[in-house]
Amino acid sequence: DQQVKQNSPSLSVQEGRISILNCDYTNSMFDYFLWYKKYPAEGPTFLISISSIKDKNEDGRFTVFLNKSAKHLSLHIVPSQPGDSAVYFCAASALSNQFYFGTGTSLTVIP
Amino acid sequence: DGGITQSPKYLFRKEGQNVTLSCEQNLNHDAMYWYRQDPGQGLRLIYYSQIVNDFQKGDIAEGYSVSREKKESFPLTVTSAQKNPTAFYLCASSTDREVNEQFFGPGTRLTVL
Repeated sequence: DQQVKQNSPSLSVQEGRISILNCDYTNSMFDYFLWYKKYPAEGPTFLISISSIKDKNEDGRFTVFLNKSAKHLSLHIVPSQPGDSAVYFCAASALSNQFYFGTGTSLTVIP
Repeated sequence: DGGITQSPKYLFRKEGQNVTLSCEQNLNHDAMYWYRQDPGQGLRLIYYSQIVNDFQKGDIAEGYSVSREKKESFPLTVTSAQKNPTAFYLCASSTDREVNEQFFGPGTRLTVL
């Protein structure tokens, strides 16, 4: 049973516009969330995280929003750049080192 | 440079053979993990270890075995009991005492012929 879901397998965005990647989870005990970026044939790299005591965390062009009541988080990339084209995974954890990953969303930024 | 290395990058084996994937880290991390990625699926946890000489099964441990004799090393053996071993395998590590991001290796693509 998938506890973390990314319902959009792919997303295309024009360069300079906003990219919004969504993630839903089912376990209300999750209290720490991360986004990873992954290029083909490489390991994922950490992008940004958010703890459940916050509803927003920003790092440069990347902002993660957390809506605990809806069990939903989103990653906003503004402005999108062609180098952002990759697969993005969200992951969640409940006070342990065991993370649950979503299925990923493939982002394509069109120049 | 600190990081996680996995070798080899590509591995081919005949069906019925056991194969061991290497994972080494020099980040002084206590915790290490093995994940498997299949097309259209998220990363699924195979095994994890929070300390030397101790490890726990993840969600899909059947057909796999691990050891953690040294802090730096966490090899994964894919046994002949694993029904669908062809996949992309990722090793990761993290500090243990707090929830933290995991650092991933480059991965090993295993193909069983």
